[in-house]
Amino acid sequence: DIVMTQSPDSLAVSLGERATINCKSSQSVLYNSNNKNYLAWYQQKPGQPPKLLIYWASTRESGVPGRFSGSGSGTDFTLTISSLQAEDVAIYYCHQYYTTPFSFGQGTRLEI
Amino acid sequence: EVQLVESGGALVQPGGSLRLSCAVSGLSFTNNDMIWVRQAPGRGLEWVSLIYSSGSTHYADSVNGRFIISRDHSKNTVYLEMNNLRVADTAIYYCAKRPGPWGKGTTVTVSS
Repeated sequence: DIVMTQSPDSLAVSLGERATINCKSSQSVLYNSNNKNYLAWYQQKPGQPPKLLIYWASTRESGVPGRFSGSGSGTDFTLTISSLQAEDVAIYYCHQYYTTPFSFGQGTRLEI
Repeated sequence: EVQLVESGGALVQPGGSLRLSCAVSGLSFTNNDMIWVRQAPGRGLEWVSLIYSSGSTHYADSVNGRFIISRDHSKNTVYLEMNNLRVADTAIYYCAKRPGPWGKGTTVTVSS
């Protein structure tokens, strides 16, 4: 089974500053046949369902602000918020959908 | 606009059964893999089940043998039949296109 480990568990960043969240998978989630990383990032605000931000490790979902970006390949991935806004306070999860059992990171709580 | 609307959540006694539904619109239901994910109160995200567009299915160990995922292409609907429910199955259940978007969820409470 693939274990997803996020770091840090919580993070406080000033408004306008950069926020970086890391995610490491215990096995590669890169499918060589199509050169795609089966890695997604979600944002969850209190009382709301998770919202897809990034898929294929670096493809921004339609409607997601450009300050959100994803990078990485294989086993190491990063979600970056280039200039933190107040509405970005949330818990962020990474998720591998490469092989079952699918798995999620434990979540990173982002605060101002 | 893509919409996924879950229904069927309820309060049920341990050992009981429920069937969750997820009505999908705005995307090619036939060509997409669909998943169920759950979130226990105050906890992170846990993948529950996957049904490929081909119809093959996969389950988390925690629900294997008790839950059954299925899909009805004529109704653009995915189902999760849940049997022999346990207190530990208490959660919000989300339906999603792999890897997104997600529905708003339906609440299942297992309690005597």
